[in-house]
Amino acid sequence: GGIITQTPKFLIGQEGQKLTLKCQQNFNHDTMYWYRQDSGKGLRLIYYSITENDLQKGDLSEGYDASREKKSSFSLTVTSAQKNEMAVFLCASSIPGQGGAEQFFGPGTRLTVL
Amino acid sequence: QQQVRQSPQSLTVWEGETAILNCSYENSAFDYFPWYQQFPGEGPALLISILSVSDKKEDGRFTIFFNKREKKLSLHIADSQPGDSATYFCAAGGSWQLIFGSGTQLTVMP
Repeated sequence: GGIITQTPKFLIGQEGQKLTLKCQQNFNHDTMYWYRQDSGKGLRLIYYSITENDLQKGDLSEGYDASREKKSSFSLTVTSAQKNEMAVFLCASSIPGQGGAEQFFGPGTRLTVL
Repeated sequence: QQQVRQSPQSLTVWEGETAILNCSYENSAFDYFPWYQQFPGEGPALLISILSVSDKKEDGRFTIFFNKREKKLSLHIADSQPGDSATYFCAAGGSWQLIFGSGTQLTVMP
């Protein structure tokens, strides 16, 4: 088995601040994802990375940057935190393949912007 | 816009009843349909999944019924238990990406 670790678990920021969220996985999966989850809504894809040094934008990429430093780690940066923003950011990893691939999720980073 | 829709938004059943969660999608190119279960404070975890070549998938108390022509699927949870109380997400996609629905919050009353 493996595990996905997200740090920090809770993140409190100020309006306009640049904030970085980190994700590590030891599944040895090629593909990693960042999702945003708002209360009462589904998961929306921000960025994904098919393999090391690859970056692909999701539907919600505006306002975010991402970095795939190595196979096991994937970082997300909120470029300018928005006042009163509250959301959970979920990292996931998978082995891509025909017919779909299971995505394994981390526990999330809960962001609050004051 | 690719969309996945779920209903109801919330569902309450009694212990022992069958809970039925519904999902529909728009893109006929989708071929992989997982259901994820999420407890408060945790990330989603895969519960059961189905490929578009099948019309039914069973795993213990959990069954997916899939209607490709109508682009609809449903998750049936038989003999519901209080421990099944969670949010359930339907998703649709292929090898690289999944599109998630907004979830159904299930409460099982003892």
